[in-house]
Amino acid sequence: EAGVTQSPTHLIKTRGQQATLRCSPISGHTSVYWYQQALGLGLQFLLWYDEGEERNRGNFPPRFSGRQFPNYSSELNVNALELEDSALYLCASSFGTALSGNTIYFGEGSWLTVV
Amino acid sequence: DQQVKQNSPSLSVQEGRISILNCDYTNSMFDYFLWYKKYPAEGPTFLISISSIKDKNEDGRFTVFLNKSAKHLSLHIVPSQPGDSAVYFCAASNFGNEKLTFGTGTRLTIIP
Repeated sequence: EAGVTQSPTHLIKTRGQQATLRCSPISGHTSVYWYQQALGLGLQFLLWYDEGEERNRGNFPPRFSGRQFPNYSSELNVNALELEDSALYLCASSFGTALSGNTIYFGEGSWLTVV
Repeated sequence: DQQVKQNSPSLSVQEGRISILNCDYTNSMFDYFLWYKKYPAEGPTFLISISSIKDKNEDGRFTVFLNKSAKHLSLHIVPSQPGDSAVYFCAASNFGNEKLTFGTGTRLTIIP
């Protein structure tokens, strides 16, 4: 069974541009989470989508946005890129949302470099 | 404000010995705790978890201990193996929030 897949693996953008990252969850998983791992920092929660709706977002500015499609795949968009947006962006998925403790499964991440 | 803290950025342990990774949290609403392991260039993989109604959970070589009064949890790996060398993240959540809060990670190196 395929795991969480993310694309692209690496992306280089210049400051001010927009970046779009994509994620396909594990088959049957309805929740998708986005995390940012910047150098020296832990995994910072960005966004949580479930059944096509944004359910929660972390402490990130509005230029970080995304969406979830009917097939539960998801996009993360980062507008007006800044140098400090350079990070590993991890997508994760889980089955259901009813209880805490649903194990979430991570993809391998997309490296975004802003120059 | 870092609600989940892993104060040791790195740890080196001899192969065969016990590795103990520590994690502290400040939010008393957290009721579920997880450990993830991350190799370079890979996403984190789930290792073991514990609910706040328990104080210990064991899975093979991995045991997680939870001390709610101290707001502290630890991951014990015994015996440590070279393949255990990775970055370990602890994470916490509270019921219904569905948002995992991660620590900054501890890099474990197992010395052959």
